[in-house]
Amino acid sequence: GESVGLHLPTLSVQEGDNSIINCAYSNSASDYFIWYKQESGKGPQFIIDIRSNMDKRQGQRVTVLLNKTVKHLSLQIAATQPGDSAVYFCAEKVRGTYKYIFGTGTRLKVLA
Amino acid sequence: EAQVTQNPRYLITVTGKKLTVTCSQNMNHEYMSWYRQDPGLGLRQIYYSMNVEVTDKGDVPEGYKVSRKEKRNFPLILESPSPTQTSLYFCASRTGDRGGNTIYFGEGSWLTVV
Repeated sequence: GESVGLHLPTLSVQEGDNSIINCAYSNSASDYFIWYKQESGKGPQFIIDIRSNMDKRQGQRVTVLLNKTVKHLSLQIAATQPGDSAVYFCAEKVRGTYKYIFGTGTRLKVLA
Repeated sequence: EAQVTQNPRYLITVTGKKLTVTCSQNMNHEYMSWYRQDPGLGLRQIYYSMNVEVTDKGDVPEGYKVSRKEKRNFPLILESPSPTQTSLYFCASRTGDRGGNTIYFGEGSWLTVV
């Protein structure tokens, strides 16, 4: 399950610190965005989503920010825990379609 | 429990030997899709289905077939697998209505073609 993540950028953070993972999306016509978490050997797990008519959405310990001007999406994780270690990637849905475009992901490593 | 179930989870096969990866969802979703995940690349869509008997090609359909005879099942068929199809495969589903945009994934199927 590790080979998929071999070439990914890595973000290392200390346990308890906040993490910020960034994503540049590609299509200005995208109207819905999702962040997924993928642990080794598992399928992508939904974390949080945001529609294009919003610029911020908060969940439990996670916040997604959307900047449509520069086509940028970020995921903020508060008080990062060892269980947050995983690959995180964003997805965008093109307006009026069922087409999803997925980012390549960032590996988050939480240091004890 | 709402889930997307794929089988097999791990498979090693030889070039040219037909295989099928099954996918089943229990959420009554209209839309189902297959993706492959390769190092350094985002998930790439192989085929998708909007409903029973309605399927269409995604971005990388070559070498694959699908069928959608029942709403809950969406098998992926490799008629004559090649080593280039060695990959991690994910089945996914979502509701077909406008309000439901979240796409749910299965646990993945590791396929190695030698």
